[in-house]
Parts: sequence; structure tokens; C-alpha cells
Amino acid sequence: QVQLVQSGGGLVKPGGSLRLSCTASGFTFSDYYMTWIRQAPGKGLEWVSYINIGGDYTNYAGSVKGRFTISRDNAKNSLYLQMNSLRGEDTAVYYCARNIGDVWGQGTTVTVSS
Amino acid sequence: EIVMTQAPATLSVSPGERATLSCRASQSVNSILAWYQQKPGQAPRLLIYGASTRAAGIPARFSGSGSGTEFTLTISSLQSEDFAVYYCHQYNNWPRTFGQGTKVEIK
Repeated sequence: QVQLVQSGGGLVKPGGSLRLSCTASGFTFSDYYMTWIRQAPGKGLEWVSYINIGGDYTNYAGSVKGRFTISRDNAKNSLYLQMNSLRGEDTAVYYCARNIGDVWGQGTTVTVSS
Repeated sequence: EIVMTQAPATLSVSPGERATLSCRASQSVNSILAWYQQKPGQAPRLLIYGASTRAAGIPARFSGSGSGTEFTLTISSLQSEDFAVYYCHQYNNWPRTFGQGTKVEIK
């Protein structure tokens, strides 16, 4: 069936790095743009980043620009989010989503704490 | 950045009643707006895109309307499974932005 399976979350110290992955199955991954969205504990949704079909256009929220990098490997049906210089305010559940969110990953928790 | 403002923050409704949720954009987003439903511990679910088009598998009791800066999500007759948080989302401009959410609770 159509699904996105996420991995890579965890506990990291401030200033540290983490890489999230999102693997697609059940559809042609290379036909869709992809998005990362996060949700801090008890808070609303925050759009994080976008990547187009070919991976040659990306866009970021101001809060992560210069620290996070979105990428994709269409041959591996995979989407990534490289997160550097992590801060406490980056603590959240991170979701990958297809297009504007017709399919979502299960979410992965990132906790930034010393 | 376009600010999306949802009202009310909390809506108390009895099962079977109609619920009307509002979303206002700080500048025009044309009709490039989506609505999502989120239940505790779950990923959001897409309800409406293009301001008024229901996503696949979404019941007809959910409808969206509006364009420009004013949008509405209407749930015609609330079912028990509809009590949740609802978010609007503009994807017309960069950066994409969400409203803060409206919680629909049982009255």
C-alpha cells in the first residue's frame, strides 16, 4: 500500500546533528514533490522544508534556513532531512509528507537537550 | 510571511450539529489552501485542498469554501470521529504556513 516510513529521530545535544529519513513505497516516488513538517510538543504544525521532483529546487522555513538541508534519492525512494546546529526549539515530532500532505509518514521524535 | 489565523481556538459542538471553522490569511493566497484533521498521537489527515476540493476518501459532510483571504471549513453534521484539531495551510507563497488550529470538542 501507499506509505511513507520514517527513521532517524532521537536525543541529541544542542549544537549536534541528526539525519532523518523517509522511505516511500506503493507509489512512484519520483513523481511527487515532498515536504517536511514538524510539531513541537503540545503545539501546532510548522512547515519546515520542500523539495521538488528532481531535487534541484528546495525551500525552507526561516527558523531552519542555513541549518537544515532537505534532499532526496529517487533511485532509493527516499527523502532526507539533515539537521545541523540543533537547538532546543527544534524539539518536535517531524513528519514527511507527499505533495501537500495526501500521504504522511508516521512521524519521528527529535529531542534536543543536554 | 503570510500569517494564517484560525477562529475560534476551541469550538464546542454537540454530535449531529453543524460546525463552522474559519481561517483568515494576512494576504491573498488565491484558492491555494488546504485543511487537515489531526487526532491525538496521529499524523494529520488531508481533508480539503484547493480551498474546496475534498481529498480522496473524505466524507461529503466536510466542505470547504472561500478564496483570497477568507476561508471556511464546514462539517455539516458532526460525528463522534470528527472531534479533533483542524488546521488550515496556505501553499501559495513561500514560506508555506499553517494556522494555529481549531480544536473541535464535544459539548
